[in-house]
Amino acid sequence: QKEVEQDPGPLSVPEGAIVSLNCTYSNSAFQYFMWYRQYSRKGPELLMYTYSSGNKEDGRFTAQVDKSSKYISLFIRDSQPSDSATYLCAMSAKAAGNKLTFGGGTRVLVKP
Amino acid sequence: EAQVTQNPRYLITVTGKKLTVTCSQNMNHEYMSWYRQDPGLGLRQIYYSMNVEVTDKGDVPEGYKVSRKEKRNFPLILESPSPNQTSLYFCATRGGNYGYTFGSGTRLTVV
Repeated sequence: QKEVEQDPGPLSVPEGAIVSLNCTYSNSAFQYFMWYRQYSRKGPELLMYTYSSGNKEDGRFTAQVDKSSKYISLFIRDSQPSDSATYLCAMSAKAAGNKLTFGGGTRVLVKP
Repeated sequence: EAQVTQNPRYLITVTGKKLTVTCSQNMNHEYMSWYRQDPGLGLRQIYYSMNVEVTDKGDVPEGYKVSRKEKRNFPLILESPSPNQTSLYFCATRGGNYGYTFGSGTRLTVV
């Protein structure tokens, strides 16, 4: 069983819809949770960074962490075709000097 | 601009021919790491370095070497590449209370 599980998709939504992504994990030591966006032929870029449980909002993006359920989510409101990409969740036990463990990524397609 | 620079972007080589993929960062980060990304397997860590002259194995180190002689550079060395090392490789750095910054990737094909 993988430490971090993520549905590979693809997830296809019409423009303007809410995109809902999630990951589950098994390691209770994880405290730092991230979402990355990766366009084709590019490196992943950091979208959201949260510590411990709770919600964090940044523009159209909202990240949620539920440590009791070992479940994290990313919501994208008012989705745009430019949001079409692969979204990777990542997590670590420490802030720095510690590796990130990634989910396999969910491919998202936002259709005009 | 904060950057992680990898070279080359694309590389086709033959089995057994030694190669080096370079990685350089301008953020003065101590932590650097190499990942490979494969369909269905996601990003897997190959090696990492906590600081100059300090390196350690990640999850899939077999067939790879690294060195960290100076803070900004962290080359990935394949002494005798094999076809199962055909992959997309990413160098990444991490500084402070933040996530990784990734390079643009190196697509390696070993024939």
